[in-house]
Amino acid sequence: DVKVTQSSRYLVKRTGEKVFLECVQDMDHENMFWYRQDPGLGLRLIYFSYDVKMKEKGDIPEGYSVSREKKERFSLILESASTNQTSMYLCASSLQTGDVNTEAFFGQGTRLTVV
Amino acid sequence: GQSLEQPSEVTAVEGAIVQINCTYQTSGFYGLSWYQQHDGGAPTFLSYNGLDGLEETGRFSSFLSRSDSYGYLLLQELQMKDSASYFCAVSPTRGKFQFGAGTQVVVTP
Repeated sequence: DVKVTQSSRYLVKRTGEKVFLECVQDMDHENMFWYRQDPGLGLRLIYFSYDVKMKEKGDIPEGYSVSREKKERFSLILESASTNQTSMYLCASSLQTGDVNTEAFFGQGTRLTVV
Repeated sequence: GQSLEQPSEVTAVEGAIVQINCTYQTSGFYGLSWYQQHDGGAPTFLSYNGLDGLEETGRFSSFLSRSDSYGYLLLQELQMKDSASYFCAVSPTRGKFQFGAGTQVVVTP
């Protein structure tokens, strides 16, 4: 079974702190994603990585950065946490087969609260 | 830019059939997918349509019309456990998934 593991289920951080959210997948997938999920807004793409050290901005990259130094690990960084970044953060990975985007496998999510 | 539209909520009784529509506008298209998410859980993959037509997986079917930028998910023989949020997701570029706001399906006895 594919496993996508996020380092924390719940996190509470203070405004202005630098926050690291870690995600590891064990199936050698090329693609990895960070989404945030807010009620009524669905899943919004923050960043997408299609290979080691390669990244693309999603719809809402402001205030975030990412790092992918190894294929299995994709980190989301909040440079200076703000209260409007309180949300559920979901990491996902997928295998790229030619031009076909195969299914995305999600981690269990990190509920981040910024106070 | 990209946009996806799907209804916010659908209510139906056990045993009924529910259709969730999804219309999209994207600059490119590499497929339409559907995901299910129960409260407190992670989204899980249901189906994928890369070409026009119907894909059937047990009680769930998904349809795509690329010329109409439209797809739907059909849930048949509804069960209480089907109460969940359902998301359509479009791939506007190779590798990327962009999700709609989700449809809450409420199944009543």
